[in-house]
Amino acid sequence: EDKVVQSPLSLVVHEGDTVTLNCSYEVTNFRSLLWYKQEKKAPTFLFMLTSSGIEKKSGRLSSILDKKELFSILNITATQTGDSAIYLCAVEPLYNFNKFYFGSGTKLNVKP
Amino acid sequence: GAVVSQHPSRVICKSGTSVKIECRSLDFQATTMFWYRQFPKQSLMLMATSNEGSKATYEQGVEKDKFLINHASLTLSTLTVTSAHPEDSSFYICSARPGSGSEAYNEQFFGPGTRLTVL
Repeated sequence: EDKVVQSPLSLVVHEGDTVTLNCSYEVTNFRSLLWYKQEKKAPTFLFMLTSSGIEKKSGRLSSILDKKELFSILNITATQTGDSAIYLCAVEPLYNFNKFYFGSGTKLNVKP
Repeated sequence: GAVVSQHPSRVICKSGTSVKIECRSLDFQATTMFWYRQFPKQSLMLMATSNEGSKATYEQGVEKDKFLINHASLTLSTLTVTSAHPEDSSFYICSARPGSGSEAYNEQFFGPGTRLTVL
């Protein structure tokens, strides 16, 4: 059965800290891995990763995929209180590119 | 661009009534829309995939007669929770995927969600 596991489930840090969120997956015929940020309502798209070893960056956020070890990490440097959210990882299989398997999410709380 | 709206944002209803939730892609055409359910402190659970002009594909364990999905146009999909019961109370989120001619074809854009409370 395809599955996505995120760790840690929750994390509390102080502003300025750097955090690393983990996502491991088991998917038959992998197509892509996506990271989303969910605050009060709908998830917002952060990154889509398809190739191993290529880092994607957006400001203080970056992410990389390891297709051999079947995991991805999301890094946030110099965290701010506005980074507080649930970060979701989703994996899309090749055989059914319409279906996203979501992990349980990591709840990040950044304290002032 | 790539905005998805949902209506209503919140609904409270009595047990036994039916509730319709609309999902619209405002600035793009979505051949495929998805309906998710999210329980408190849990992740998104895919309920069904809705394709324009054809029947929805339901995930295992989701009752298609309970959760009616209609995708009548390239910009609108509706989810009707029939004869709602308190256990149907949840946060329902839709997402839309642009057509294959779009640069954002591989992405899903999420609506703001609908909070359903069944008394």
